[in-house]
Amino acid sequence: EAQVTQNPRYLITVTGKKLTVTCSQNMNHEYMSWYRQDPGLGLRQIYYSMNVEVTDKGDVPEGYKVSRKEKRNFPLILESPSPNQTSLYFCASRSRGLANYGYTFGSGTRLTVV
Amino acid sequence: AQSVTQPDIHITVSEGASLELRCNYSYGATPYLFWYVQSPGQGLQLLLKYFSGDTLVQGIKGFEAEFKRSQSSFNLRKPSVHWSDAAEYFCAVGAGQAGTALIFGKGTTLSVSS
Repeated sequence: EAQVTQNPRYLITVTGKKLTVTCSQNMNHEYMSWYRQDPGLGLRQIYYSMNVEVTDKGDVPEGYKVSRKEKRNFPLILESPSPNQTSLYFCASRSRGLANYGYTFGSGTRLTVV
Repeated sequence: AQSVTQPDIHITVSEGASLELRCNYSYGATPYLFWYVQSPGQGLQLLLKYFSGDTLVQGIKGFEAEFKRSQSSFNLRKPSVHWSDAAEYFCAVGAGQAGTALIFGKGTTLSVSS
C-alpha cells in the first residue's frame, strides 16, 4: 500500500531532550515536507526537500532540523525541544510534476514537550 | 503573499442536506488549489484538486468544487451530507519553489446533525 509512515504517533518529552520523528514513504517520491498543525493557525510548513541532500526552510523552521540522506526517509529533528513545539506534526510527500501536485500525508505525530 | 481564507470556522448541517464550504485565496498567478479532509485522529486526505481547464472539479466521496477566478474562490460542495462527512476541511493553494509548499487555510469543522 502506498503510504507515508511516521513514528512515533504520540510522544511526550521534556524540555531540552533531543528527539527525532521519523518519516518514510514507499512511493519513490522526490518531494517531502514537514508541517505542524496548531489550533487556530492551521498547518504551516517547517521544512521541505526536493530530493536527496536538497532541503530548505519553510515558514516556521526555527528549532528544527531535517536531513535527506535517502530518498524514502525525511526525519525531523528537535535538538532542544521547548514547550512551544508542542504540536501535531505531519510528514508529506509527492512526486515531481504537475499531475502529482497534491501531497500525500502521514497520519501525524502528536508531540508534547513539558 | 499567498494566503487562503476559510471564513467559516464551524458549520453544522443536517444529514441529507446540501453543503457548501467557502474558500478564498490570494495568489498572483494561476493558482493550484486543493481541498483536504481530516477526520479526528487521522492525517489529511486529498479530496480534489484544480490546476486548469474545467472550473468544476469532481473529487472523492461525492464532493465537488468550483473555481471562480473573478471571485478568487474555490468553494467545496456536496449535494447530500452523510454523518461520516463530519470532519475538518482544509483549503490550500500550491506555492513555493516548484510547488514544494501548500499554503493552508485555518480549516472549517463540519458537524452533521441527525
